[in-house]
Amino acid sequence: QKEVEQDPGPLSVPEGAIVSLNCTYSNSAFQYFMWYRQYSRKGPELLMYTYSSGNKEDGRFTAQVDKSSKYISLFIRDSQPSDSATYLCAMTEGRRALTFGSGTRLQVQP
Amino acid sequence: DGGITQSPKYLFRKEGQNVTLSCEQNLNHDAMYWYRQDPGQGLRLIYYSQIVNDFQKGDIAEGYSVSREKKESFPLTVTSAQKNPTAFYLCASSIGPLQGEKLFFGSGTQLSVL
Repeated sequence: QKEVEQDPGPLSVPEGAIVSLNCTYSNSAFQYFMWYRQYSRKGPELLMYTYSSGNKEDGRFTAQVDKSSKYISLFIRDSQPSDSATYLCAMTEGRRALTFGSGTRLQVQP
Repeated sequence: DGGITQSPKYLFRKEGQNVTLSCEQNLNHDAMYWYRQDPGQGLRLIYYSQIVNDFQKGDIAEGYSVSREKKESFPLTVTSAQKNPTAFYLCASSIGPLQGEKLFFGSGTQLSVL
């Protein structure tokens, strides 16, 4: 079983929809959680960074961490075609390099 | 403009050949990393370096080698021992060593076998 599980998609939504992306994990020691966005054949870019549990909001993006359920989410409001990309979750307990999910491919249809 | 530069963008390897992927950063970051990405898979760690002249193996180091002679540079050599080298290779850096670091990535190198 992988330490971090992420549905590969693709997830197709109409423009303006609310998107929910999720990851589950098995290592209860993870306490730093990140979401990266990766456009095709480009390097990932950091979208959201969360320490421990709770919510964090940045513009149209909201990251949620539920450590009791070992579950993290990324919500995108008012999705745009430019949001079409692969979204990677990543996490660490702080002593090892990041462990990445396999990524969810999102397509926002105009 | 600060960032991470990877070159070349595309690279082709012949049977039995070693090839080297370049990674340079001007962010003044101490730590640097190499990841491999295969289609439909997440990023897998090959090697990382927390400080000059020091580096550690990641999860899939076999068939790869690295050096860290300068803070700015962390080249990756894909040796002939790596039997399945075709993948997208990503270099990253972070301000300091492992402490919940935020990684900053280069634009990647696509390596293919001829």
